[in-house]
Amino acid sequence: DSGVTQTPKHLITATGQRVTLRCSPRSGDLSVYWYQQSLDQGLQFLIQYYNGEERAKGNILERFSAQQFPDLHSELNLSSLELGDSALYFCASDRGTNEETQYFGPGTRLLVL
Amino acid sequence: SQQGEEDPQALSIQEGENATMNCSYKTSINNLQWYRQNSGRGLVHLILIRSNEREKHSGRLRVTLDTSKKSSSLLITASRAADTASYFCATDRSEQAGTALIFGKGTTLSVSS
Repeated sequence: DSGVTQTPKHLITATGQRVTLRCSPRSGDLSVYWYQQSLDQGLQFLIQYYNGEERAKGNILERFSAQQFPDLHSELNLSSLELGDSALYFCASDRGTNEETQYFGPGTRLLVL
Repeated sequence: SQQGEEDPQALSIQEGENATMNCSYKTSINNLQWYRQNSGRGLVHLILIRSNEREKHSGRLRVTLDTSKKSSSLLITASRAADTASYFCATDRSEQAGTALIFGKGTTLSVSS
């Protein structure tokens, strides 16, 4: 158990819909990362938040957004969903400094039908 | 974009044998991490090696890092069936803000008894 929690575990929805994925980082970690894992793209970094502020952006679509709240949990919002958004979405956390291990949550498996 | 590239893509061995996986990356790094992923599940952190380290051990794992060649290897000694999983190397980018990880496509290891 990494100490990072994600909800829900599974999500099935239809194209065009909007979903919210939630992540709680490990106790003491200030930084939260979101990654997407799909068969064709592999593991891709989406976005990072540090202590409530956006720190880095990766291959995140404009239809996707995220935020980190004062209690440090984070939410990833996916809207106007397409079939190709079906993937595993992982959240990871660390203290936000360099040379740190990132600990991953169990992931949310999203299926868009 | 992929930073790390693992080699081989797939590896099949017998229990008790050693498994070696290689990873190459493209840019300067602060550290390199290896993760394991059991089928469709979360990523488990195995080991982190810093850019000023050349070798690191953890149990049956041995990791080497050659920054001049921009490559790393993961050796699993005396493999067990439970080691069957996908293994990913992940690097950060020392010149960029944030500490998001860039993953390779992974090596799928199959250990048969």
